[in-house]
Amino acid sequence: ELKVEQNPLFLSMQEGKNYTIYCNYSTTSDRLYWYRQDPGKSLESLFVLLSNGAVKQEGRLMASLDTKARLSTLHITAAVHDLSATYFCAAHSSGGGADGLTFGKGTHLIIQP
Amino acid sequence: NAGVTQTPKFRILKIGQSMTLQCAQDMNHNYMYWYRQDPGMGLKLIYYSVGAGITDKGEVPNGYNVSRSTTEDFPLRLELAAPSQTSVYFCASSWAGTGVEAFFGQGTRLTVV
Repeated sequence: ELKVEQNPLFLSMQEGKNYTIYCNYSTTSDRLYWYRQDPGKSLESLFVLLSNGAVKQEGRLMASLDTKARLSTLHITAAVHDLSATYFCAAHSSGGGADGLTFGKGTHLIIQP
Repeated sequence: NAGVTQTPKFRILKIGQSMTLQCAQDMNHNYMYWYRQDPGMGLKLIYYSVGAGITDKGEVPNGYNVSRSTTEDFPLRLELAAPSQTSVYFCASSWAGTGVEAFFGQGTRLTVV
């Protein structure tokens, strides 16, 4: 059974600082996703990572995937208040089973001025 | 573009009542999914469908039923609602299986009292 763990689950940081959110998954996964969720809103797709060593960047966010370590990271550079949200990673098991995603519990990120 | 549309946005049910959560997408996606999100948690897959007439169970299917008579619609039926079904329900769709971006609806917040 695929399990996805994120840490930290809660993060308060100041504007201008850098930080990394970690996402570990328990079994082989062939793809990893990052989503953003604002309070009371739906999920917005940020990144889809499809191969070992994949790195994608959008603005102040950069995501990477290491399939050998079963680890994905979401790095925030020079954080700004607008990035405050809950960030979820999700993985798909390449070993069959339901064709859907397994989500982590989410990282609630607060960026203070 | 409407994308994925869910109705209703909010609903309060009494224990033992039944209801159908509606989901429609206008992107001609083959794959559709139902997830539930409990407070402070990630999303869990309830049911999914890979095309009209084909549905399958996800991680937490008990207490729910689905049907997929058309490509566009994927309703979720709750029979005999229980307090444990209090959650936010998200419908999602994608043009292929996981490995491509999934688009999420705005969610239905359901409370069972």
